[in-house]
Amino acid sequence: AQKVTQAQTEISVVEKEDVTLDCVYETRDTTYYLFWYKQPPSGELVFLIRRNSFDEQNEISGRYSWNFQKSTSSFNFTITASQVVDSAVYFCAFLGGEDKFYFGSGTKLNVKP
Amino acid sequence: DGGITQSPKYLFRKEGQNVTLSCEQNLNHDAMYWYRQDPGQGLRLIYYSQIVNDFQKGDIAEGYSVSREKKESFPLTVTSAQKNPTAFYLCASSIDSPGGGSNEQFFGPGTRLTVL
Repeated sequence: AQKVTQAQTEISVVEKEDVTLDCVYETRDTTYYLFWYKQPPSGELVFLIRRNSFDEQNEISGRYSWNFQKSTSSFNFTITASQVVDSAVYFCAFLGGEDKFYFGSGTKLNVKP
Repeated sequence: DGGITQSPKYLFRKEGQNVTLSCEQNLNHDAMYWYRQDPGQGLRLIYYSQIVNDFQKGDIAEGYSVSREKKESFPLTVTSAQKNPTAFYLCASSIDSPGGGSNEQFFGPGTRLTVL
């Protein structure tokens, strides 16, 4: 069975600090996809990134970067120079051979001015 | 603008009543999904539909029902059989079924259901 674990329930940082959100997954599938979503207070989930299991290159998009390591089954998300607008709940998700998305329990990020 | 709409945003229901949550998308997506989110928890899949007139149970389908008569619409009915219906409900869609590729899901704004 697939499983996604986000061990950090809540993180608080001060603006301009860097912060890393952890995501660990379990699977026996060889082909799968990993996602990160942001849920601001309004409630709607916003897609951030998709990564397939054959592409372990790290990705950077502005202040966001993602570190995918198959050896440790992790797909961590780093926000550099955090801003108050980054405050939200962030979800990691897994999609494998079962054709179902599995979401982690989410990490609530509080960025204080 | 293309997107997913859910209505109403807030919904109150008396215990023992059925209630239907609306979800409409104009993205021409084949697949649609319903999730339930409880405070401090992740999303749990209730039902999903890959094509019109077909749908499958997710992990927590008991006490819920759906229909998919049109591609753009996937309403969810919360029945009186659902023991603890108070939650935040999110609808999502994707271009095709997950098995057809790696397509991300796009989410609606959600409906917060409270049972009084």
